[in-house]
Amino acid sequence: GAGVSQSPSNKVTEKGKDVELRCDPISGHTALYWYRQSLGQGLEFLIYFQGNSAPDKSGLPSDRFSAERTGGSVSTLTIQRTQQEDSAVYLCASSPRVSSNEQFFGPGTRLTVL
Amino acid sequence: QKEVEQDPGPLSVPEGAIVSLNCTYSNSAFQYFMWYRQYSRKGPELLMYTYSSGNKEDGRFTAQVDKSSKYISLFIRDSQPSDSATYLCAMSKAGSEKLVFGKGTKLTVNP
Repeated sequence: GAGVSQSPSNKVTEKGKDVELRCDPISGHTALYWYRQSLGQGLEFLIYFQGNSAPDKSGLPSDRFSAERTGGSVSTLTIQRTQQEDSAVYLCASSPRVSSNEQFFGPGTRLTVL
Repeated sequence: QKEVEQDPGPLSVPEGAIVSLNCTYSNSAFQYFMWYRQYSRKGPELLMYTYSSGNKEDGRFTAQVDKSSKYISLFIRDSQPSDSATYLCAMSKAGSEKLVFGKGTKLTVNP
């Protein structure tokens, strides 16, 4: 079946602009996660959703970052007033249920802020 | 000290070699341990998942967890060029959805 998909695959933007990154999880997966992978930093947890609610937003680096999930499916990560340090690969993962610990990752969105 | 430490390598081995990849961690609350494989410009792919201490084998891959030493390992037998990738360890605490990752070890298997 189809895996996790993310769009766009690449995004180049200018400093100060807002960007939206989209994630389509595996059908039927109730849990959805966002991570950021920066050069030299590894993968860092940002936020996770159980259904449409976000019980853990502890990894969001600043209030410029927000995310939502609608219909228990698609999720959007929004970064406002982008900065150069936001440049990274943003990865989405989904899981069939909370606490399964088996997270299936999408290919990521490579964000470059000029 | 980071919660999870992983030697970034790079590690280069000849085809057929046994590969040993390792991570250490500092937080004894970690209960679930995973290994992911990530090819260049792709998302991580779950390889192995282990709960608490012990060994788990799947084909050419063996995962070991030693909670007393806070040390986990992934062994790859009869390594193939297609195993060339970055290997990431990850772990989580009971009741937490957050995976904490090592920085990854880049492996190259030479034909």
